[in-house]
Amino acid sequence: DARVTQTPRHKVTEMGQEVTMRCQPILGHNTVFWYRQTMMQGLELLAYFRNRAPLDDSGMPKDRFSAEMPDATLATLKIQPSEPRDSAVYFCASATTLVGRDNEQFFGPGTRLTVL
Amino acid sequence: GENVEQHPSTLSVQEGDSAVIKCTYSDSASNYFPWYKQELGKGPQLIIDIRSNVGEKKDQRIAVTLNKTAKHFSLHITETQPEDSAVYFCAASLSGAGSYQLTFGKGTKLSVIP
Repeated sequence: DARVTQTPRHKVTEMGQEVTMRCQPILGHNTVFWYRQTMMQGLELLAYFRNRAPLDDSGMPKDRFSAEMPDATLATLKIQPSEPRDSAVYFCASATTLVGRDNEQFFGPGTRLTVL
Repeated sequence: GENVEQHPSTLSVQEGDSAVIKCTYSDSASNYFPWYKQELGKGPQLIIDIRSNVGEKKDQRIAVTLNKTAKHFSLHITETQPEDSAVYFCAASLSGAGSYQLTFGKGTKLSVIP
């Protein structure tokens, strides 16, 4: 059963601490997205990668957020230092670039982050 | 950039009735329109999508219609069941041009009353 996995599922931390969220895309998918979901803003695209290269990270606060893909099976989103306004659910999604399927994004279960 | 408006924000229907959710988009170049269902505590799940070369697509009790001239598309759920209760998101994208970004609507919380 191919699915996107994310760890941790829940994270509670104190302001100023570093937070790292991890995502394993579906095997064979070469495009990975990071989204943030809040009640006020809905689903916001933070960054996305294709073939491990960043294509767009304009939605991400550059001073504290960073996203990487160390290899094809792992994507990370790091916040340093974290702030209470970062509290949200962070989703990873993956997609293939096969013609006709290239926009179908498959979402993971999310990481619920609470920054106190 | 693309802007997607979604209405209504909440919708309550009696079990067995139909539900309709509507979205409008701003970029006439967009050609891919998916709908996602998000249950409590889970990630969004793709339930149906439509590409601009067709006007309607059905999958059992759900259907999506697209009017490219008016730049709006709709999700129709017939014979609603309690398990249809969830938040539904529409989205728009430009497919096949090396762009992979989806722009999402704000979501519609659908409640099906038994």
